[in-house]
Amino acid sequence: AQSVAQPEDQVNVAEGNPLTVKCTYSVSGNPYLFWYVQYPNRGLQFLLKYITGDNLVKGSYGFEAEFNKSQTSFHLKKPSALVSDSALYFCAVSGYGNNRLAFGKGNQVVVIP
Amino acid sequence: EAQVTQNPRYLITVTGKKLTVTCSQNMNHEYMSWYRQDPGLGLRQIYYSMNVEVTDKGDVPEGYKVSRKEKRNFPLILESPSPNQTSLYFCASSSSGRGNLGANVLTFGAGSRLTVL
Repeated sequence: AQSVAQPEDQVNVAEGNPLTVKCTYSVSGNPYLFWYVQYPNRGLQFLLKYITGDNLVKGSYGFEAEFNKSQTSFHLKKPSALVSDSALYFCAVSGYGNNRLAFGKGNQVVVIP
Repeated sequence: EAQVTQNPRYLITVTGKKLTVTCSQNMNHEYMSWYRQDPGLGLRQIYYSMNVEVTDKGDVPEGYKVSRKEKRNFPLILESPSPNQTSLYFCASSSSGRGNLGANVLTFGAGSRLTVL
């Protein structure tokens, strides 16, 4: 069965500094990897996904993520964080022919003005 | 507007009183799913449905029922709620993507916060 680890409960970063949210995964075969974001009192919103191709994936709101097969990682990054990026971020993994999506426990990102 | 609609958004109930959380999507999606979100545990899948009349258990199905009589609706039923079902519930849907479901993006509802006393 697939699984995701998001090792940090909370990530604090100063506004304007680079933001990184870590994710490692486990799945049989080639992975499909996703990042979703949850703002307060809202449902999850899709940010970006990796299916195949270029290891660097660009998504919404200036976010990007790098797929690293050897390290089984898919870290989310943003070059310059905004206060409005403060939210809960979820990494998720699935696989070819797999109808299930496994989510990590989420990372709270706090961007300090 | 393409969306997943859940009702109620907030509900406080008592142990043993049957309740239903409705979920409806207007995107003609084949796949629908229910998740619960608990602090420190992330999102865990309760049940999912690949299409009308096709449902299957997720990771935490105990205490829940679902039905998929119409493509757009996927209600979550708690026959006899207990306090450990106090949680934030999300419904989500996606297209089946020519069978490669795992590669498709989920659209989530706004969530239903349930408290069982």
